[in-house]
Amino acid sequence: IAGITQAPTSQILAAGRRMTLRCTQDMRHNAMYWYRQDLGLGLRLIHYSNTAGTTGKGEVPDGYSVSRANTDDFPLTLASAVPSQTSVYFCASSDGGGQSTDTQYFGPGTRLTVL
Amino acid sequence: GQNIDQPTEMTATEGAIVQINCTYQTSGFNGLFWYQQHAGEAPTFLSYNVLDGLEEKGRFSSFLSRSKGYSYLLLKELQMKDSASYLCAVVDSNYQLIWGAGTKLIIKP
Repeated sequence: IAGITQAPTSQILAAGRRMTLRCTQDMRHNAMYWYRQDLGLGLRLIHYSNTAGTTGKGEVPDGYSVSRANTDDFPLTLASAVPSQTSVYFCASSDGGGQSTDTQYFGPGTRLTVL
Repeated sequence: GQNIDQPTEMTATEGAIVQINCTYQTSGFNGLFWYQQHAGEAPTFLSYNVLDGLEEKGRFSSFLSRSKGYSYLLLKELQMKDSASYLCAVVDSNYQLIWGAGTKLIIKP
């Protein structure tokens, strides 16, 4: 069982380019999340999905979009990357209905650099 | 505003005990998590407290005082592999998870 996988592991991207970060889980968890982690700051929620077919905005959604076509996949798209989106991106999932009291399981992260 | 405070960095000696504190000011409270994150890796779950008191799990214990807005993570018999960042996160009244910036723990031989 892989848990949560993310791709790519790292990426250097030119500003203005479109980029999709992939996230797949095999635990059949209902809820999935995208966070960014920046030095000196706590994890910040970008978007979430409580169940397949639904998505919601987190704390820092601007410049990002997500989709949840099925239970397993939750891709994050940067429509037109900007340098301030340079960060480490973590995908996470949790069982249950997406309550914040559920334990979250994290993927290995994608390190994105926008130049 | 909502705020989670943790020391930025702590140093301890192998075999010793260390206490990592977390204080919070949030709109309500519905639980507090501790996660461990080794450098370059994903956060992993350590503990969840919703009631006051101490919960022990092997070498790790977590304490919560809701009236004081305070928690700590206690690590005993420190091992080199415990070198990591420790993240405190609070669930507020809207069931939003608010994360602290984390405490980097350095273990020296």
